[in-house]
Amino acid sequence: QVQLHESGPGLVKPSQTLSLTCTVSGGSISTDGFYWSWIRQHPGKGLEWIGFIYNRGGTYYNSSLKSRVTISLDTSNNQFSLKLGSVTAADTAVYYCARGLQSSNWLDPWGQGTLVTVSS
Amino acid sequence: SYVLTQPPSVSVAPGKTATITCGGNNIGSKSVHWYQQKPGQAPVLVIYYDGDRPSGIPQRFSGSNSGNTATLTISRVEAADEADYSCQVWDSRSDHVVFGGGTKLIVL
Repeated sequence: QVQLHESGPGLVKPSQTLSLTCTVSGGSISTDGFYWSWIRQHPGKGLEWIGFIYNRGGTYYNSSLKSRVTISLDTSNNQFSLKLGSVTAADTAVYYCARGLQSSNWLDPWGQGTLVTVSS
Repeated sequence: SYVLTQPPSVSVAPGKTATITCGGNNIGSKSVHWYQQKPGQAPVLVIYYDGDRPSGIPQRFSGSNSGNTATLTISRVEAADEADYSCQVWDSRSDHVVFGGGTKLIVL
């Protein structure tokens, strides 16, 4: 079955860019009918949607983060990535990647999550 | 933007039925999905399309959606059901995925 795994630095300095990669196994990110999403969870808080990218490259972003977010596909490596610029301590969170079903917008499966701390 | 409201916590004794609500303006017109998240783990989809269960999810988990409230019901609650539960919809007006704030299910 499809599995997702996040990777990237666990510590980012303020004002720098947070970069994460999600590697998909057991299926192709080019498969029609799905999109690839990033979600984060601040410590002790609820889930916050960051955005997603369709298999053909179209993107949707949370308007509260849109000016700082870029999600892109790397079909050759079956990966997709997240870049979040100008980070502050408020961006400290566990970041999850997940697959979404286009027709219904549920998210399944999810990666295990990766904690990113913004600190100097 | 569209807002989903969940109670912070729900307590239930083992063997009883737990009901977790998710409130939103005319949420009955949307498809609601529910996720279970245990401490230190990623969310897992437990209900989609208001009341359908993915394979591997026990029949004890069910859902409904009408008017301004969607509901996740867990029958014959077990200690292993203790977790955070979050509802989610797609808001077509803003083109956003929206999550509720999450409800901690406490098994007494």
